[in-house]
Amino acid sequence: EVQLVESGGGLVQPGGSLRLSCAASGSTLTSHSISWVRQAPGKGLEWVSYSGTTSTTTYYADSVKGRFTISRDNAKNSVYLQMNSLRAEDTAIYYCASVYHYYMDVWGRGTTVTVSS
Amino acid sequence: QSVLTQPPSVSGAPGQRVTISCTGSSSNIGSFYDVHWYRQLPGTAPKLLIYGNTNRPSGVPERFSGSKSGTSASLAISGLQAEDEADYYCQSYDSSLSGWVFGGGTKLTV
Repeated sequence: EVQLVESGGGLVQPGGSLRLSCAASGSTLTSHSISWVRQAPGKGLEWVSYSGTTSTTTYYADSVKGRFTISRDNAKNSVYLQMNSLRAEDTAIYYCASVYHYYMDVWGRGTTVTVSS
Repeated sequence: QSVLTQPPSVSGAPGQRVTISCTGSSSNIGSFYDVHWYRQLPGTAPKLLIYGNTNRPSGVPERFSGSKSGTSASLAISGLQAEDEADYYCQSYDSSLSGWVFGGGTKLTV
């Protein structure tokens, strides 16, 4: 079974940028579609972005469209989420998850993003 | 405001049975998209509990069961145990939004 580990979170000022990474082990990412899901403090889960097994298939939630970009480097067994023009409402724990038949079967532990001045 | 609607909280005594509802619309649950359920223990990542409306991943006890009818779905937990205290989320796919959607989550108190 694939294991996923997120990294790259931190404190950033409004308007700033961050790049999150999702590294896989135990399996090659070439056979896994990946989504990013976030959870604001004390709130529920919100789907953010999806990458099919190749970089050509990507989808975004309306709340991040035009600001976030998902990409993958199968050679490094990793998926990335480039987050630009960050806002306070982007503050959340960001999870990457393997997507199989429209559900998330494996989740990482998450990385925390805080957008504040 | 979540696309899928869940009760904010449910409670039950040890050994009892509780159900958590998840209501959607014709563009998600009411379409041919399945409903999936996740459990999130405090301070941890969500974990898949039910997939494809009724299926349990390996390791999930038979006490947990799911169903779907029309534009709604339900998660039932029988034989409640203290360790079942967690947040439960339903999830589907929405064709109008072209994306994955979650319920707002239900906090189960045992």
